[in-house]
Formats: sequence, C-alpha cells, structure tokens
Amino acid sequence: DTAVSQTPKYLVTQMGNDKSIKCEQNLGHDTMYWYKQDSKKFLKIMFSYNNKELIINETVPNRFSPKSPDKAHLNLHINSLELGDSAVYFCASSDDLLYEQYFGPGTRLTVT
Amino acid sequence: AQSVAQPEDQVNVAEGNPLTVKCTYSVSGNPYLFWYVQYPNRGLQFLLKYITGDNLVKGSYGFEAEFNKSQTSFHLKKPSALVSDSALYFCASNTNAGKSTFGDGTTLTVKP
Repeated sequence: DTAVSQTPKYLVTQMGNDKSIKCEQNLGHDTMYWYKQDSKKFLKIMFSYNNKELIINETVPNRFSPKSPDKAHLNLHINSLELGDSAVYFCASSDDLLYEQYFGPGTRLTVT
Repeated sequence: AQSVAQPEDQVNVAEGNPLTVKCTYSVSGNPYLFWYVQYPNRGLQFLLKYITGDNLVKGSYGFEAEFNKSQTSFHLKKPSALVSDSALYFCASNTNAGKSTFGDGTTLTVKP
C-alpha cells in the first residue's frame, strides 16, 4: 500500500487554465503539507495543515488554494496557471508538526 | 528565523570510502533536525532525525548523523559509501509552528 499518494503524476496544461492535484495519506497522520520543488531542486514549503486547519501559508500567491476535506486528504487547486508554476509539487504527511515527514511521489506540472 | 545551510552543492567519493554531507542550522529553541534522501524522479525519503538525547543518531541504510550544538551542525555520515548511495540529500529543521525549512540539497556521487 502506498503511504502517501498523489494524482496525477504528470500534468501538462496551458497558461490561464485551472488545475487540481490530489493527495491522500493512509498513515493516520494529523499533519499534511504541500511543497514546491523547482528546476534547481530547491524545496520550499507552501502550506501546512494540522487536523484540517491551515497552519502555514508561506507567501504563496492567492491563485493557490489548498483544501482538506478530511485528515487523510489535502488537495491543491491552482487558478490561472502561469509559466512560473512549472515545477514538481510534493505532498507530505507527518504524525506531528515536529516529526519526520513522509512524501508522496510528486506531481510534475508543466505549464506551456 | 530558522535556517538550514548545506555548504556543498556536490560531494564526490569513491565506493568504500567514508562520506560526509555537511549541514549547519540556525534555529531558536531546541532544534528538530532531519536528513532526507531523494532519488531521481522520486519523493523524499526520511533517513534519520535528531530531537533530543544521544548526539550520534543512526538511521536507514547505514547512515548516521552527529549533532554538534556548539558548532550548530548536523553532518550526515556513512563509514563506507556504496554506488547506490548516489542521490540528492536534504537537511531540514521543523518548528512546532508547522514551519519546515530545507537546505538547498547536496548531490552525492559515489564512483565505483
């Protein structure tokens, strides 16, 4: 069983479109995250959710909106996609804000 | 503000030799420190963590890390490198506010 899964794995779309990425974890964790990894492999946290509540929103444009329908799911919706949004997006989960995180396989988003 | 630095973009070692990947940190309060590994086209995998206790922590795949409070360092080590250890390594710190900070990553190449 995959602990943290993301769909889709690849996403190619045009500028201006709206898209969503889904994440699910079956680890029973209370905390979930979204990260962006750019072309230089730098990893930056975007959002942290704890018990479905938004904890951290790291200067991410309003076009990005996370939604947590329950503790096992954290989806990322992106409006009006821009070229600069092209990156790999990782979902992760942890048992607690302080503990180690378990990452999904990533979603490679390409905006053309 | 907390920060994590990995001073080397690239580390090259010969198979069978010891390896060290460096990390220094700047956090307020007690540091929660982690090492993760990322293989090509994969998500990050947790290797080991320091929260409290013994300064030498052991993790997966024979890796260990030494926490040094006076030098604010948390270097990753392995006594004998394998070609399969070649990957991208990230040092990270967490806060109980949900903020995770990752270093820029170090690419480890182990040559046969």
